[in-house]
Amino acid sequence: GAGVSQSPSNKVTEKGKDVELRCDPISGHTALYWYRQRLGQGLEFLIYFQGNSAPDKSGLPSDRFSAERTGESVSTLTIQRTQQEDSAVYLCASSLAAGSTGELFFGEGSRLTVL
Amino acid sequence: GENVGLHLPTLSVQEGDNSIINCAYSNSASDYFIWYKQESGKGPQFIIDIRSNMDKRQGQRVTVLLNKTVKHLSLQIAATQPGDSAVYFCAENDYNQGGKLIFGQGTELSVKP
Repeated sequence: GAGVSQSPSNKVTEKGKDVELRCDPISGHTALYWYRQRLGQGLEFLIYFQGNSAPDKSGLPSDRFSAERTGESVSTLTIQRTQQEDSAVYLCASSLAAGSTGELFFGEGSRLTVL
Repeated sequence: GENVGLHLPTLSVQEGDNSIINCAYSNSASDYFIWYKQESGKGPQFIIDIRSNMDKRQGQRVTVLLNKTVKHLSLQIAATQPGDSAVYFCAENDYNQGGKLIFGQGTELSVKP
């Protein structure tokens, strides 16, 4: 597609379950980012991937959170043993290159609700 | 830790007036700044960016000003329209720390007809 695609758009899960969120970046974009946005809050950096370099995981809030990316394509963000405080919109973005050389293009986000 | 913040959480302006949204940053090493607009239920959209070797950059109806001395960034919107109503975020990047963009908390702009 022309833009960043995220799925599911909405996910309701029970506390303690694992969830997997998917991001399809724009074709040709080497950098991919995950952010978390709680209701009425700003964007909280989680992780980013740049080509074949080791990902910057410095924003992951706990070891329950992990992310993978296959080459320069799809990425999945996994949250294990979900907690209510994990409820948020998870935004994925991609860019031609990381940092000061590229504009980020965001998807519509995956809204996660943990009951 | 380093962070990017905003002076005003909400801003209400009359249609046709100019809007100014402010942002303070604390990382003096940041060398790239971007403003994003986020409409309800959507992902943020790029508005305009500026590098640290500039102090002003203009786009269509928008101007970004950067004052590195006081670590302040502002977004000016000329002739504000109802379609400009959204939350606006500033973001910063320190290239020496890699590619991550750090976002501020956002300012909600409300345009009254």
